[in-house]
Amino acid sequence: SQKIEQNSEALNIQEGKTATLTCNYTNYSPAYLQWYRQDPGRGPVFLLLIRENEKEKRKERLKVTFDTTLKQSLFHITASQPADSATYLCALRNSGNTPLVFGKGTRLSVIA
Amino acid sequence: EPEVTQTPSHQVTQMGQEVILRCVPISNHLYFYWYRQILGQKVEFLVSFYNNEISEKSEIFDDQFSVERPDGSNFTLKIRSTKLEDSAMYFCASSVGQPAPNQPQHFGDGTRLSIL
Repeated sequence: SQKIEQNSEALNIQEGKTATLTCNYTNYSPAYLQWYRQDPGRGPVFLLLIRENEKEKRKERLKVTFDTTLKQSLFHITASQPADSATYLCALRNSGNTPLVFGKGTRLSVIA
Repeated sequence: EPEVTQTPSHQVTQMGQEVILRCVPISNHLYFYWYRQILGQKVEFLVSFYNNEISEKSEIFDDQFSVERPDGSNFTLKIRSTKLEDSAMYFCASSVGQPAPNQPQHFGDGTRLSIL
């Protein structure tokens, strides 16, 4: 069966450091992986998407990598700020109109 | 920036009653979705809708649930006879164009449904 695991429920880091969040998956191929941000009481907000044949994607201070051998994606926030504190969700789908399946999320707290 | 809007933000309903949750997707989007998130748990897919019919639905989306696009702008989720376990945050989402897997979904801020 298909599984998505974000193995850290919570992550605390100091302001200015790089936050690295992990998403592991099984039985998705081809895999299209999306990262979303969710603030308390709000809906998920799309951040980045990476395809199975891409190694890395960047957007401002965000970077996503994809290792299809390890079946893992890493999500990095460089020069983190308290405003980056939120829950970050990893989501996967195979192809076409298959449903987007979310992981449980990692709650990031950036401490000033 | 255009956004998905959902009403009401909070709905309190007695068990066994019918409830309708409303969504206005982004105007040029063609694919519509409903998800739910039980408190402290992950976002779960319920149903996708395209061209006035259901494209996919999950096991959660049983006969008690239905969706409708009654006009050119609204997209609704109806729960016929609510149960306590239906208490959750319900999110509507939409995406543009084809159902390509690289299309991001745009979410509303949800309706918190509380069943008493």
